[in-house]
Amino acid sequence: KAGVTQTPRYLIKTRGQQVTLSCSPISGHRSVSWYQQTPGQGLQFLFEYFSETQRNKGNFPGRFSGRQFSNSRSEMNVSTLELGDSALYLCASSSEGGHTGELFFGEGSRLTVL
Amino acid sequence: GENVEQHPSTLSVQEGDSAVIKCTYSDSASNYFPWYKQELGKGPQLIIDIRSNVGEKKDQRIAVTLNKTAKHFSLHITETQPEDSAVYFCAASSNTGKLIFGQGTTLQVKP
Repeated sequence: KAGVTQTPRYLIKTRGQQVTLSCSPISGHRSVSWYQQTPGQGLQFLFEYFSETQRNKGNFPGRFSGRQFSNSRSEMNVSTLELGDSALYLCASSSEGGHTGELFFGEGSRLTVL
Repeated sequence: GENVEQHPSTLSVQEGDSAVIKCTYSDSASNYFPWYKQELGKGPQLIIDIRSNVGEKKDQRIAVTLNKTAKHFSLHITETQPEDSAVYFCAASSNTGKLIFGQGTTLQVKP
């Protein structure tokens, strides 16, 4: 059974640009969550999608957005990039959501903003 | 608010010793408490979890304890081995359906 796949793995952008990250969940999983990981801040929750609907949202500005497609694949977009957006972005899939059961994480997309 | 505090941020032990990581949470409605291990270059992976109707759970060298009254839970690793070296995250469910993570503990097991 294939795991969670995130693309791209690494990317470099400059301030003001936008970026789109992609996540393919484990087959059969309807929930996809996104987290931002920075040193000392742990895993900050961005949002969760379940069956194409945003079910939950963290405390990030509107520059951070996402969506989920009918095949459960998800994308997140960050517009007008800032230096502070440099981080590892992790996607996790699950059957019903991480608040009830196991999350399966991808290896992340490392974004560097110059 | 929803918050999980995790201590210590770094922990260094000798191989064979025990390691303990502690977390406190703020949401009294939290009922699911997983622990994740993140190795270098990889995503976090679930190692053990506990639900609010249980006070302790053990899986080989790993155990987790939960004190709902005090709103804290702990991870205990006994007989540590070099391959236990990693970053460990605690987490707690929130009444809004989120999973809130602690800041992480970097565990180093010295041979």
